[in-house]
Amino acid sequence: QVQLQESGPRLVRPSETLSLTCTVSGGSVSPHYWTWIRQSPGKGLEWIGAIFYSGSANYNPSLESRVTISVDTSKNQFALRLTSVTAADTAVYYCAREYCSGGACGWFAPWGQGTLVTVSS
Amino acid sequence: DIQMTQSPSALSASVGDRVTITCRASQSIESWLAWYQQKPGKAPKLLIYKASSLESGVPSRFSGRGSGTEFTLTISSLQPDDSATYYCQQYNSYWRTFGQGTKVEIK
Repeated sequence: QVQLQESGPRLVRPSETLSLTCTVSGGSVSPHYWTWIRQSPGKGLEWIGAIFYSGSANYNPSLESRVTISVDTSKNQFALRLTSVTAADTAVYYCAREYCSGGACGWFAPWGQGTLVTVSS
Repeated sequence: DIQMTQSPSALSASVGDRVTITCRASQSIESWLAWYQQKPGKAPKLLIYKASSLESGVPSRFSGRGSGTEFTLTISSLQPDDSATYYCQQYNSYWRTFGQGTKVEIK
């Protein structure tokens, strides 16, 4: 059974870079899509972006200028970098697998447990 | 982006009641819709995908219907364990978007 676990700093200073890693266990990152989603009280659930195991990525246009998602197949991990953070980036960050079936992709299962990242000086 | 609007924002119902949540898309998303259940402090859990396909292990009292711009999630007989917030999510566009959530409480 595939399980995901987020890791990384819980506190980030304004204007700095938020970096999180998602470790996949019980399965391989190949040949799937992997996603980052965040949840803050003000904006609900927000899709940040997704990456295919081969490395091709799509991003939320509202965040695209600040976001990079990468994948490391040798470590069975994928990662999120969000630059120039502000208090508005404070949220619970989830990693998830984007599921595909019958040629269609787009729903998320399973999810990691989530990690609260606070942007504050 | 495709905007997803859920109604109601919250509801309170009794054990055994039939509960229906509606999700409307700002443009047609065919049947590319999923539903999730989220309990406090936990990650969302997939219930339904492709508008009406029940995820493995999800109780059969949950069902989904709809296509185009209007969708529903129905709980046929509400149970105490169903107290949670429910979200819809579209995947017709590569820019995946969620509804704002519907909080279901047990009377």
